[in-house]
Amino acid sequence: NAGVTQTPKFRILKIGQSMTLQCTQDMNHNYMYWYRQDPGMGLKLIYYSVGAGITDKGEVPNGYNVSRSTTEDFPLRLELAAPSQTSVYFCASRQNQPQHFGDGTRLSIL
Amino acid sequence: GNSVTQMEGPVTLSEEAFLTINCTYTATGYPSLFWYVQYPGEGLQLLLKATKADDKGSNKGFEATYRKETTSFHLEKGSVQVSDSAVYFCALSEYAGGTSYGKLTFGQGTILTVHP
Repeated sequence: NAGVTQTPKFRILKIGQSMTLQCTQDMNHNYMYWYRQDPGMGLKLIYYSVGAGITDKGEVPNGYNVSRSTTEDFPLRLELAAPSQTSVYFCASRQNQPQHFGDGTRLSIL
Repeated sequence: GNSVTQMEGPVTLSEEAFLTINCTYTATGYPSLFWYVQYPGEGLQLLLKATKADDKGSNKGFEATYRKETTSFHLEKGSVQVSDSAVYFCALSEYAGGTSYGKLTFGQGTILTVHP
């Protein structure tokens, strides 16, 4: 099983650029999540989804958008990249506990 | 709101030493508790979990007991190996009636380095 797949693994952006972080899961999970991990900090929830067509904000949603058109995919969009968005981004999914995590996308904004 | 506090790191041990990583939490209701491990360059993997008071989670020689009276979930291992070097995260998920979305609240993580 592939589990939760995130692409790309690494990316460098310039300030003001936009990009989409992709997340796909093949476990037919209803719940999906986006977290960011900053150095020395735990993971913070950006957005989550409880099923196709349903999304909601987490703790730190500013500067991000998401969509959930299918059960499998949960892309995260950065519209105007800012240096404060330099982080490692993790996507996760679950049906029941626990959450299953992807390997992360390391994003640097310069 | 919910919160998780882990002992400050990093932690450096010699192989075969005893490991304890402290974790305490604040939550309303009856959370489930987790330890996740993150190896270098990888995502988080579930190490163990406990869903109610006095439950003991265990896996790969690691153990943690859900202590409601002290709101703690300390991670222990009797004899660590070099391959245990990783970042360890304590986390909780609270079930809020029938409307929980299962959000995980994480501690800040503890870096463990084990030397031969």
